[in-house]
Parts: sequence; structure tokens; C-alpha cells
Amino acid sequence: GGIITQTPKFLIGQEGQKLTLKCQQNFNHDTMYWYRQDSGKGLRLIYYSITENDLQKGDLSEGYDASREKKSSFSLTVTSAQKNEMAVFLCASSIGSNERLFFGHGTKLSVL
Amino acid sequence: AQSVTQPDARVTVSEGASLQLRCKYSYSGTPYLFWYVQYQRQGLQLLLKYYSGDPVVQGVNGFEAEFSKSDSSFHLRKASVHWSDSAVYFCAATITGNTRKLIFGLGTTLQVQP
Repeated sequence: GGIITQTPKFLIGQEGQKLTLKCQQNFNHDTMYWYRQDSGKGLRLIYYSITENDLQKGDLSEGYDASREKKSSFSLTVTSAQKNEMAVFLCASSIGSNERLFFGHGTKLSVL
Repeated sequence: AQSVTQPDARVTVSEGASLQLRCKYSYSGTPYLFWYVQYQRQGLQLLLKYYSGDPVVQGVNGFEAEFSKSDSSFHLRKASVHWSDSAVYFCAATITGNTRKLIFGLGTTLQVQP
């Protein structure tokens, strides 16, 4: 079996700060995703990548950048943290476009 | 517009009771349907999925779901819940099996009382 590792588990930032979240998977999956989970709003897709160096915008990409420099890793950058922002960012991967997603445990973001 | 609706934000049941969590979808054609579960402080895990065929699909831990095209629903059921089933349950759907377009419902928080 494989695992998806997200770092850090908790991230506290200041308003306006650029913050980077990292995700590693050892499934050898082609496709990776970043979702944002807000209380009462479910999961919303921020970015996804179908292969190394590929990036595709999801429904919530404004305010974020992503990078897929290796097949096993997918990072997400909050370009300017918003005051009082609080959310959980979930990384996921899948073999292809037709298969189940495997999720990491999440990075919880708080902005002071 | 394509959507997934979970009408119950929170469901409370007693241990040993039966359970149904509701999910309605709005898609043209037949979508691929999933139920995921999120235990506290963990990532989402797949419970079961429906692509085609028998409308009743079996999942892990005694869960099953039934697809209804006429009702546009994919309700999750369990005959007898355990306290460890307390979690948040998400219904999700995609068209043509493209999980890049996976749309999640808002989730239903299940609390099982002893």
C-alpha cells in the first residue's frame, strides 16, 4: 500500500504572507489534486495535475499557485494569506481520471 | 448545473440502529457515484463506488448504497451502526468517470450515540 504525506500538519500565517503546503505520494499515481475544505462548504478543487510539470486550474484557483516538479510531489502556494482565514487543505492522488482518489490527512491553515 | 446535494447536515442515531444518509445528484446522463468517509483528524477514505450494473453496491464495514436513476439518488445505508461509524460522510459524483470533475456534496456528520 501507499501513503500520501502532507506537510506541515498545521500552518499559522500572517495576513499577506505567502505560504507553501507540500504533498508527497508513493503510490506512483499520475494525477494529483489539491482541495480546500471549509466548514459547511464541502470540498472544492483548487488545482490538479495529470502528470509531472502539468497544472490545471480547478474551481477555486484564484489566490493560489501550484507546482508539480516531480511525479511524486505536488505543492500548493497561498499567494497572499487572508486575515482570519481558516481552512483545511487536502491533497489527493489517483491512478488516472477514472479511479478512486486517495487522500492525505490535510494541512490546517490559520491566518492571524 | 451539475450538483450533488446531501440534504442532512447532521444525523444522530443510536448504536445498533439502522442508518440511511441521503444523496441526490443533478447530472445529465448517468454519473459515476462515490461515498467517502472522513474520520476525525484523518483524510477521506473511499467507502464504495458505483459505475454501472447492479444498482446496489457493497462497501467496506457493512455499508451499501443504492443507485436510483428515476430518483437521481445514491443513498448510503447500514443495517446496524457502531459508535466507530461516527464521522463525516461525503457523496461525490463525476460524469464520464473523470474524477478531475469530481463534485462533492457538503457532507453529513453522523453521530452514533451509545
